[in-house]
Amino acid sequence: EAQVTQNPRYLITVTGKKLTVTCSQNMNHEYMSWYRQDPGLGLRQIYYSMNVEVTDKGDVPEGYKVSRKEKRNFPLILESPSPNQTSLYFCASTGGATNEKLFFGSGTQLSVL
Amino acid sequence: GENVEQHPSTLSVQEGDSAVIKCTYSDSASNYFPWYKQELGKRPQLIIDIRSNVGEKKDQRIAVTLNKTAKHFSLHITETQPEDSAVYFCAASKRYSTLTFGKGTMLLVSP
Repeated sequence: EAQVTQNPRYLITVTGKKLTVTCSQNMNHEYMSWYRQDPGLGLRQIYYSMNVEVTDKGDVPEGYKVSRKEKRNFPLILESPSPNQTSLYFCASTGGATNEKLFFGSGTQLSVL
Repeated sequence: GENVEQHPSTLSVQEGDSAVIKCTYSDSASNYFPWYKQELGKRPQLIIDIRSNVGEKKDQRIAVTLNKTAKHFSLHITETQPEDSAVYFCAASKRYSTLTFGKGTMLLVSP
């Protein structure tokens, strides 16, 4: 089944404790991205990747890191989480070119205390 | 960069009525305009999209119209049903890897 797998589904942590949210897709998509969703603000892009070892900042990249060492994986790293990063996070992928449909992961609800 | 404005933020209709959600975009180079539906607690899912070389597209009860000159596009849902209740997001892009979303419209369909 074609899917984007995101883990964990829920995460509670404390300020400053490094964490990683994993994202993997099985559709051989070149393009992957991370969004955060906050009430009243919609979906805002954090980072995106056009291919292995190619990443770029989105609209709200501060406080986040990403890496794309393999085509299928695109983890989101918070080196020193802060309470303002409490949010719902979505990973997404697309085949691009002739298929711009975004496939979203199931989301990660992160709470930073 | 691209800026997408979406209105209204909430919309309440009676079952069977039509619903219209409107979006404007700022970058005239944008050429792809999808709409996503997000049910409560679920991930966003694409329901319809349109490209800049097309003025209107329909899929059963939903349709999207695009006015490139005015830089706005709209989602039309006819004969609304309670299961249409969700948050709807419009988006725009000029590069297929970078979508800019509107802030969303919460649609409530009352039986």
